[in-house]
Amino acid sequence: QSVLTQPPSVSGAPGQRVTISCTGSSSNIGAGYDVHWYQHLPGTAPKLLIYGNNNRPSGVPDRFSGSKSGTSASLAISGLQAEDEADYYCQSYDSSLSGVVFGGGTKVTVL
Amino acid sequence: QVQLVESGGGVVQPGRSLRLSCVASGFTFSNYAMHWARQGPGKGLEWVSVISSDESYKSNADSVRGRFTISRDNSKHTLYLQMSSLRAEDTAVYYCARGASSGWSIDYWGQGTLVTVSS
Repeated sequence: QSVLTQPPSVSGAPGQRVTISCTGSSSNIGAGYDVHWYQHLPGTAPKLLIYGNNNRPSGVPDRFSGSKSGTSASLAISGLQAEDEADYYCQSYDSSLSGVVFGGGTKVTVL
Repeated sequence: QVQLVESGGGVVQPGRSLRLSCVASGFTFSNYAMHWARQGPGKGLEWVSVISSDESYKSNADSVRGRFTISRDNSKHTLYLQMSSLRAEDTAVYYCARGASSGWSIDYWGQGTLVTVSS
């Protein structure tokens, strides 16, 4: 059971927009800690996609965007492409656990 | 370019110990916090441990507290994870990762090293 809750899977056709939710609590997202998002393809190193709730590192397409409100956050992928098929994880810090916490991960499938 | 190369993984019996290493290059290692994270078979990413740039702060996940110890040697640009009393549920790919300069995000990850705990 992950501290941050994500849907196990989402899917969409090429060109569509999909969103992935990340629900936390008052000791992590709700406490004001930033949310970050990662893209992970099996057998490869995870890649930082969004940091500080809504910032993209250099080289990440602007099709990826993040938002945060209250105890939740979301990752949106617009103009879905075949190469976006991967696992996506949200991450924050939890003051009760005194450590980093990840969501359970969401598998994005491009139909 | 930032590179993180893990080593030390392998097959180990339950209850035994293993030490993982991660050699960093392409950045000033002594300026950054470093993390270990893992992914068990069929599971998601799980954070394991963090150490500050000067070793003054360390923290572990509840699942490994008292069994795993993180350390670093800034003169060798190397991060370590000493794992003891290993259990079957510790079987995973272990990733070395760099903490970003602000907040708790992780901006670079290694390719990982596989640890299998089995008799």
